[in-house]
Amino acid sequence: AAGVIQSPRHLIKEKRETATLKCYPIPRHDTVYWYQQGPGQDPQFLISFYEKMQSDKGSIPDRFSAQQFSDYHSELNMSSLELGDSALYFCASSPGGQGWEQYFGPGTRLTVT
Amino acid sequence: KQEVTQIPAALSVPEGENLVLNCSFTDSAIYNLQWFRQDPGKGLTSLLLIQSSQREQTSGRLNASLDKSSGRSTLYIAASQPGDSATYLCAVQGAQKLVFGQGTRLTINP
Repeated sequence: AAGVIQSPRHLIKEKRETATLKCYPIPRHDTVYWYQQGPGQDPQFLISFYEKMQSDKGSIPDRFSAQQFSDYHSELNMSSLELGDSALYFCASSPGGQGWEQYFGPGTRLTVT
Repeated sequence: KQEVTQIPAALSVPEGENLVLNCSFTDSAIYNLQWFRQDPGKGLTSLLLIQSSQREQTSGRLNASLDKSSGRSTLYIAASQPGDSATYLCAVQGAQKLVFGQGTRLTINP
């Protein structure tokens, strides 16, 4: 069965650089979620999209932006990277909005040096 | 604001024992609760999903229960094996987002 695809799997950037993370949801899933997991921490919700519209927003820094495209894939854009942005970034998808099970991708490990 | 707490933070048991991991949440207005497994530095593997209308779910040696009114869930692992060593996270879904607990780091000793 097709799963959530995230690219790249690993990314190394320097401070003040920009990074773009991509997420390809399971086919026919119209909702995408982004979570950030810092070292030794639990995943924290960043932002979600339903039918290409932002549906919920969590503790996402102003330096980050995201969007969902017409094919339902999503991109998380991160600018002016800081050391504290080093984390695992997970994308999850679901076949609807509220109440549906979320299926997680393998994550992108971002290291900021 | 939903808060999820997992107890204990770490647990070490000998192989073969049955064990229980606990999860509590402050807001009972949830759609579902999920239990995940995470190996060090790896992704999240979904173990069990319990809808708010359900009381338990079973998969192999795993059984999860949900008491929504009291804001509690337990994950029961039978006949533990060294391969079960990992961090176990519970997460509740309110409106859309998942709110995670801090996890229980489980070590099964051969």
